[in-house]
Amino acid sequence: AQSVTQLDSQVPVFEEAPVELRCNYSSSVSVYLFWYVQYPNQGLQLLLKYLSGSTLVKGINGFEAEFNKSQTSFHLRKPSVHISDTAEYFCAVSYDTGGFKTIFGAGTRLFVKA
Amino acid sequence: GAVVSQHPSRVICKSGTSVKIECRSLDFQATTMFWYRQFPKQSLMLMATSNEGSKATYEQGVEKDKFLINHASLTLSTLTVTSAHPEDSSFYICSARDPRAGLNTEAFFGQGTRLTVV
Repeated sequence: AQSVTQLDSQVPVFEEAPVELRCNYSSSVSVYLFWYVQYPNQGLQLLLKYLSGSTLVKGINGFEAEFNKSQTSFHLRKPSVHISDTAEYFCAVSYDTGGFKTIFGAGTRLFVKA
Repeated sequence: GAVVSQHPSRVICKSGTSVKIECRSLDFQATTMFWYRQFPKQSLMLMATSNEGSKATYEQGVEKDKFLINHASLTLSTLTVTSAHPEDSSFYICSARDPRAGLNTEAFFGQGTRLTVV
C-alpha cells in the first residue's frame, strides 16, 4: 500500500527566513511525487512535481524539492519566504494500479510571520 | 494550462435534501475524474474515481448510494450527495488529468465546493 507522511502539521517561520517542509512516502510500486498549495476555501495549485530525471525539482514561487529515493523523501524548500506563502501545503504521490490515483499527506500549515 | 471548473463553490441545503456538484474539464476531455472530500484542517481523502461511460469506483468506506457519481460526458462528472445530513458538511474537490499530457502527470483541481447541511 502507498502512504504519504508529512512530519510537521504546522511550521511557523519569520518572513525572509528559509523553510523546509518534510515529506516521506512509502510505496511498493513506482510513484510520481507532487507538492500542492491550498489557500483557504480554494482548490489545490501545483507547486512542483517529480516524474523522472533530475532529483532536484524547481517549481513556482521560488520553491524547490529534492527527491531522495534511498530515504523515500521529497522535502519542499524555499530559501526566503514571504507573508503570501502562508497556506496549507500538501505532498502527494500518484501511482498506477490500473487507474492513476493520487493520495495526499495530511498537510503542513506554513505560517509566515512578519 | 488545463482547467477544471467546479460548481457551485458554496451551497447550503436542508437536512434530508440532495445536492448536486458539477465538475467540468474546460479545455480537455477527461475519461477519468476524481472526487475528494476534505474536512477542516485535514487532508484530502479520495472518495471515488469517476469513469466516463461506466460505473464509478468507490474507495473503501464510501457509501455509493449516498454519494452518487455520474460521468455522462468526457467533460462533466457530477457528485450528488443524497439525503444530506449535517455530518456530510465538508469541502468537496474534484480533479482530472489532461490525457494529452500523459497519465503520469499532475492532476488539475477544481476550486472546491463548500457544502453546509443545516
